[in-house]
Amino acid sequence: AQSVTQLDSQVPVFEEAPVELRCNYSSSVSVYLFWYVQYPNQGLQLLLKYLSGSTLVKGINGFEAEFNKSQTSFHLRKPSVHISDTAEYFCAVSDASGGSYIPTFGRGTSLIVHP
Amino acid sequence: ETGVTQTPRHLVMGMTNKKSLKCEQHLGHNAMYWYKQSAKKPLELMFVYNFKEQTENNSVPSRFSPECPNSSHLFLHLHTLQPEDSALYLCASSQELTTGREAFFGQGTRLTVV
Repeated sequence: AQSVTQLDSQVPVFEEAPVELRCNYSSSVSVYLFWYVQYPNQGLQLLLKYLSGSTLVKGINGFEAEFNKSQTSFHLRKPSVHISDTAEYFCAVSDASGGSYIPTFGRGTSLIVHP
Repeated sequence: ETGVTQTPRHLVMGMTNKKSLKCEQHLGHNAMYWYKQSAKKPLELMFVYNFKEQTENNSVPSRFSPECPNSSHLFLHLHTLQPEDSALYLCASSQELTTGREAFFGQGTRLTVV
């Protein structure tokens, strides 16, 4: 069975500083990986995804993530954050271990950007 | 416009009421999901439908009853709920369950049970 661990429940950072949100997963088969962002009282919006190919994935709003198979990680990074990046971020993994691809989500990381 | 629309956005209901949540997707997807999001808890998968057939019921109490009349519509019928059922209910859709593509989410219905 697949699982996702987001090690940090909250990450405070100052505006224009770089940020990394960590995600580790466990799965016994090939995986698809995703990062979503959720603003207050909204649904989840896809930031980026890894399906295959290059391990460095670029997404919307200047975010990128790197798939590291040996470390089973998919950390999200942004070189310079804005106040508007304050939101909840969810890592998700999907594999076919149960016969169908149903995404499993981490507990989320709250990114708080201070001026 | 996310392609997945949920109504209503907010709902307050008494414990003896019956209400329904509606989800509609215009993306041509064949898999649809209900998730429950409570404060301080991870997203909980409730139900999954693939080509209108229910494939997952994640030990959800029977006071929640899903319905999927076609691949574009998903309902969650609610009756005799408890205050702990208050949460944000999220609907999502994806291409179908054998492709592993990303899920697209609606804006959610904020449910308060009083």
